[in-house]
Amino acid sequence: EVQLVQSGGDLVQPGGSLRLSCAASGFTFSMYWMNWVRQAPGKGLEWVANIKPDGSEKSYVDSVRGRFTITRDNTENSLYLQMNSLRAEDTAIYYCAANVIGFDPWGQGTLVTVSS
Amino acid sequence: EVVMTQSPATLSVSPGERATLSCRASQSVTNNLAWYQQKPGQAPRLLIYGASTRATGIPARFSGSGSGTEFTLTISGLQSEDFAVYYCQQYNNWWTFGQGTKVEMK
Repeated sequence: EVQLVQSGGDLVQPGGSLRLSCAASGFTFSMYWMNWVRQAPGKGLEWVANIKPDGSEKSYVDSVRGRFTITRDNTENSLYLQMNSLRAEDTAIYYCAANVIGFDPWGQGTLVTVSS
Repeated sequence: EVVMTQSPATLSVSPGERATLSCRASQSVTNNLAWYQQKPGQAPRLLIYGASTRATGIPARFSGSGSGTEFTLTISGLQSEDFAVYYCQQYNNWWTFGQGTKVEMK
């Protein structure tokens, strides 16, 4: 079964850090671009970052560039998002998603709450 | 940034009827357009890519059309499981989503 299983969401104070994980199974993870997409409470979807299959290229939305870092470990079939200097506006459900043509599959999502 | 604008924000439809959702891009995205369905508490699901190609396992009642800046998702013969929020996404120039259209039961 093709699957992305996420972990790492939590409540964190403003200025804090958090690392999200996304474990892939059922497909050849190392062949695909991977993405993080977030959804603030009651809002729409926002693409956050992506990474090339070999990890050599990374892109970020302007609002997180310099604070968030996307990485991957193809030996562990895992994707990560290191989030530093977190702000209240980063509060959202974060999804990982594979990118073939369109985003598919998606992880189940993990909630990040930034609040004091 | 390519801005995607969806209309209407909410669409009230009776089961069995047709639903027509629109998506407009602020500049041409050729046919690099996808549609997603999201139900409460769930991750989005890819329905359509390339503006008109159904993803694996998507029923034939879902169809997409358009190119350039104007796109349409049509759901023919709406079923109870189709009531959800639908998002368009362009992937021609980075990746941006529309704000969503909620399809609710009339």
